[in-house]
Amino acid sequence: ELKVEQNPLFLSMQEGKNYTIYCNYSTTSDRLYWYRQDPGKSLESLFVLLSNGAVKQEGRLMASLDTKARLSTLHITAAVHDLSATYFCAVEERVGGSRLTFGEGTQLTVNP
Amino acid sequence: DVKVTQSSRYLVKRTGEKVFLECVQDMDHENMFWYRQDPGLGLRLIYFSYDVKMKEKGDIPEGYSVSREKKERFSLILESASTNQTSMYLCASSLSGGVDTQYFGPGTRLTVL
Repeated sequence: ELKVEQNPLFLSMQEGKNYTIYCNYSTTSDRLYWYRQDPGKSLESLFVLLSNGAVKQEGRLMASLDTKARLSTLHITAAVHDLSATYFCAVEERVGGSRLTFGEGTQLTVNP
Repeated sequence: DVKVTQSSRYLVKRTGEKVFLECVQDMDHENMFWYRQDPGLGLRLIYFSYDVKMKEKGDIPEGYSVSREKKERFSLILESASTNQTSMYLCASSLSGGVDTQYFGPGTRLTVL
């Protein structure tokens, strides 16, 4: 059974600081997704990482994937209040079609 | 833009009632999914479907069933609602092949009294 673990689960940081969210998973997969969820809203796709060593960047967020270590990171650079949200990683399994297994989510609060 | 809609944003039902949650997507996606989201547990997959009239159990199918009679519509059914099914329910869809990004609906917050 695939397990996906994120840490930290709660992150409070000041504006302007850098931090990294970690996503570990338990079985072989070379596809990983990051999603963002604002309070009271649904999930929005941020990044799709499709192979070992993949790196994607959008604004102050950068995601990377190391399939050998079964680890993905979401790095936040110079945080701003608008980044406050819950961030989920999800690992793809191909069983016939494909399905995702989600981590618990990291609730990020950026304080002025 | 991909659009996934769910029939209700908020729903209140009583224990023992039969509950239908409807999901419709407008992008001709083959795959559709039902999740429930609970604090501290992330999203857990209830059922999914790769094609019309096909269904697969997810990680927590007990107490739920699904129906997919048309490609664009995927229904989640709670045969006899219980209080432990109070949750946020999210529907998603994705295209088969290539990058299988799932697109999510707005969610239905179900309260069972």
